[in-house]
Amino acid sequence: EAGVTQSPTHLIKTRGQQATLRCSPISGHTSVYWYQQALGLGLQFLLWYDEGEERNRGNFPPRFSGRQFPNYSSELNVNALELEDSALYLCASSPNGGNTEAFFGQGTRLTVV
Amino acid sequence: EDQVTQSPEALRLQEGESSSLNCSYTVSGLRGLFWYRQDPGKGPEFLFTLYSAGEEKEKERLKATLTKKESFLHITAPKPEDSATYLCAVQATSWGKLQFGAGTQVVVTP
Repeated sequence: EAGVTQSPTHLIKTRGQQATLRCSPISGHTSVYWYQQALGLGLQFLLWYDEGEERNRGNFPPRFSGRQFPNYSSELNVNALELEDSALYLCASSPNGGNTEAFFGQGTRLTVV
Repeated sequence: EDQVTQSPEALRLQEGESSSLNCSYTVSGLRGLFWYRQDPGKGPEFLFTLYSAGEEKEKERLKATLTKKESFLHITAPKPEDSATYLCAVQATSWGKLQFGAGTQVVVTP
């Protein structure tokens, strides 16, 4: 069974540009979580989608946004990129938003220059 | 305020030298506590879920336990391939999201 897949693996953008990151959850999973992991820092919660709806949002500015499609895949958009947005962006999926474990993809390494 | 604190920040072990990692948490209504392993530049790999105080889970050389305020990850007779950062996360009944601790970086030398 395929795990959580993220694309692209690496992304290099210029300050001020927009970045789009994609995530395909494990088949049958309806919840998708996005996390940011800056170098040397812990995982910071960004967004949680379940059944196509945004359920919770972390302490990030509005230029971080996303959506979940009818097939439960998800997109994270980061507008007006800043240098400090450089990080590993991780997507996780779970069967639902309840008390079940979340499985992570390998991440997208975003570098803003 | 809800918090997850892991200690120590880093741990260096000789192969075969058993040790424990600590995860203390303050959360209003624990739904679950999760342990993950993360290798450099990769996504976290799920290890265990614990739901109630007194619960224990084991996998190879790893054993996780849970009390009302903390969880321990015991590494028995570690091998170099156990070197990784171990992350603890909690899920509160009111959130849905997982809140992570900063992790414990474990290095096991031959």
